[in-house]
Amino acid sequence: DAGVIQSPRHEVTEMGQEVTLRCKPISGHDYLFWYRQTMMRGLELLIYFNNNVPIDDSGMPEDRFSAKMPNASFSTLKIQPSEPRDSAVYFCASSLKPGPGELFFGEGSRLTVL
Amino acid sequence: AQTVTQSQPEMSVQEAETVTLSCTYDTSESDYYLFWYKQPPSRQMILVIRQEAYKQQNATENRFSVNFQKAAKSFSLKISDSQLGDAAMYFCAYIPNSGYALNFGKGTSLLVTP
Repeated sequence: DAGVIQSPRHEVTEMGQEVTLRCKPISGHDYLFWYRQTMMRGLELLIYFNNNVPIDDSGMPEDRFSAKMPNASFSTLKIQPSEPRDSAVYFCASSLKPGPGELFFGEGSRLTVL
Repeated sequence: AQTVTQSQPEMSVQEAETVTLSCTYDTSESDYYLFWYKQPPSRQMILVIRQEAYKQQNATENRFSVNFQKAAKSFSLKISDSQLGDAAMYFCAYIPNSGYALNFGKGTSLLVTP
């Protein structure tokens, strides 16, 4: 299996621009998670999906952030408009089951907003 | 609220030596799971070891072992015979059995010197 695939690996954009991060989970995994990693706050859960349905988005920082999962093999995290404080590494992860099941991470998308 | 604390931002060990990374957590749950994840420079998060709270026996995976002290809410990782490839960020993570997403500590950066 190819693992969790994220794109782009790096993104540099200017403040105010729209950013879209993409994720392809491992086939058969029903749970998909978006995490954000920063030096100050570490790894924070933004949102998670079960069977393509968003279950908990309480970690999404504000209305500028939105996430979708139109089908079992694709999810997006969108930031519009982007701000410098959004600069971080964004991870997508998937698992067969929630909770103590093993979580498989992608390689992350490093976002820099100038 | 459940929190995970890693009090050592950085640690250093010589090749072939042993190092212990500390982690404490705060929870009112009795049934939960603890994890150590490794994040090498490639950024991808890799599961190192997992401990189930109801098991008294400490988990081991080859050169990696844990010291799980439930009453003290402590979960340290011991790396024996350290290798250059062990250099990475190490994250401690917690999840209650009824939970759905991991709660991570802020990480410890491990440097391995020849």
